[in-house]
Amino acid sequence: QQQVKQSPQSLIVQKGGISIINCAYENTAFDYFPWYQQFPGKGPALLIAIRPDVSEKKEGRFTISFNKSAKQFSLHIMDSQPGDSATYFCAASGYTGTASKLTFGTGTRLQVTL
Amino acid sequence: DTAVSQTPKYLVTQMGNDKSIKCEQNLGHDTMYWYKQDSKKFLKIMFSYNNKELIINETVPNRFSPKSPDKAHLNLHINSLELGDSAVYFCASSQGLMSRATYNEQFFGPGTRLTVL
Repeated sequence: QQQVKQSPQSLIVQKGGISIINCAYENTAFDYFPWYQQFPGKGPALLIAIRPDVSEKKEGRFTISFNKSAKQFSLHIMDSQPGDSATYFCAASGYTGTASKLTFGTGTRLQVTL
Repeated sequence: DTAVSQTPKYLVTQMGNDKSIKCEQNLGHDTMYWYKQDSKKFLKIMFSYNNKELIINETVPNRFSPKSPDKAHLNLHINSLELGDSAVYFCASSQGLMSRATYNEQFFGPGTRLTVL
């Protein structure tokens, strides 16, 4: 059961453009929504995260937009750079009764071209 | 000064063998995790430990047995390896358990690519 759906699967953006990755979730009990960035051969690393009580969070060129009623959130990368080329995962945290765990989306492979 | 390290980085083995993957973190964290990333890059939690105690155990075949000798180490032993076990296995750690209103960043290791022939 895929509880967090992510799109697109892959994305090609020109340098300086805006990259947009979308995620949708089903479980209304999710209470924390991080985005992870993964470079080839490396483990995922936290990029930015948001709680459902805010609609937007910005850190540098990276912005999360959150729509609680639609159960959707998205990552916007402004002024995309070749160094941003990586796989991006959205995730959602849900409480299991003993602890919370992260459920990841299927990933988006971003390529930023010159 | 690696934060979360895993050994080996690559593991190639035959079906039916038993193998172990080791994980160590030097961040002083209390909580450690094992994730499996399949060929389509889908990342799914397998186990989490807090202070050496098993907290989360997803629907994982009992051929997989995690062991935490101390807070800094979480090893994964896999018995009777199958073709479907081929994947990249990531260890991660966080300062503490995540729970309602407590959000702890998870730090991932570099991964172990397991190939079962």
